[in-house]
Amino acid sequence: QQQVKQSPQSLIVQKGGISIINCAYENTAFDYFPWYQQFPGKGPALLIAIRPDVSEKKEGRFTISFNKSAKQFSLHIMDSQPGDSATYFCAASGGNAGNMLTFGGGTRLMVKP
Amino acid sequence: KAGVTQTPRYLIKTRGQQVTLSCSPISGHRSVSWYQQTPGQGLQFLFEYFSETQRNKGNFPGRFSGRQFSNSRSEMNVSTLELGDSALYLCASSLLIGGQGSGYTFGSGTRLTVV
Repeated sequence: QQQVKQSPQSLIVQKGGISIINCAYENTAFDYFPWYQQFPGKGPALLIAIRPDVSEKKEGRFTISFNKSAKQFSLHIMDSQPGDSATYFCAASGGNAGNMLTFGGGTRLMVKP
Repeated sequence: KAGVTQTPRYLIKTRGQQVTLSCSPISGHRSVSWYQQTPGQGLQFLFEYFSETQRNKGNFPGRFSGRQFSNSRSEMNVSTLELGDSALYLCASSLLIGGQGSGYTFGSGTRLTVV
């Protein structure tokens, strides 16, 4: 009930391309969906977050698309850069899961120059 | 503005020992959460403290415990260490409980190796 499934596990994109990472959740009570970026040796850093009352949120090159009926949300990175190479985690919280973040398994993104 | 500070950064312990990890949240943040990160299980929630009270607990055995002090600093303790406790332990702080508002800010973690 608390799972968040993330795909793909790894992704290779050419510089300037679009990186797309997908997540699916089960708990319909979740009401907060953040994405985190993690570089080696560092903790995850909040990238962008969305609540289910909107279907899309954009911040710079990063966009979250949210489909409430399908219980899916995705991260799009436009004009991907080598500096975007990192591990990305989707997460969800709220409802009977309380405030704890339930994370997806992570996607290792490599952007080739 | 200083970030979330975790000490120590690296730790090697022997099976059966106990360990205490420390976390200093961002100034003004009152909520501190702890997560365990392993290659196999990913990021898993341990517990959250707010105003010195444990507000939420993940599915970990009682060997894992924590506390929060009046200055919001937090410690977590793992007793009777097992090899499977080897992981990166991450602390996250937020202004409000549950990461509401600006969300959670994570520290760089403490890498615990149990031998």
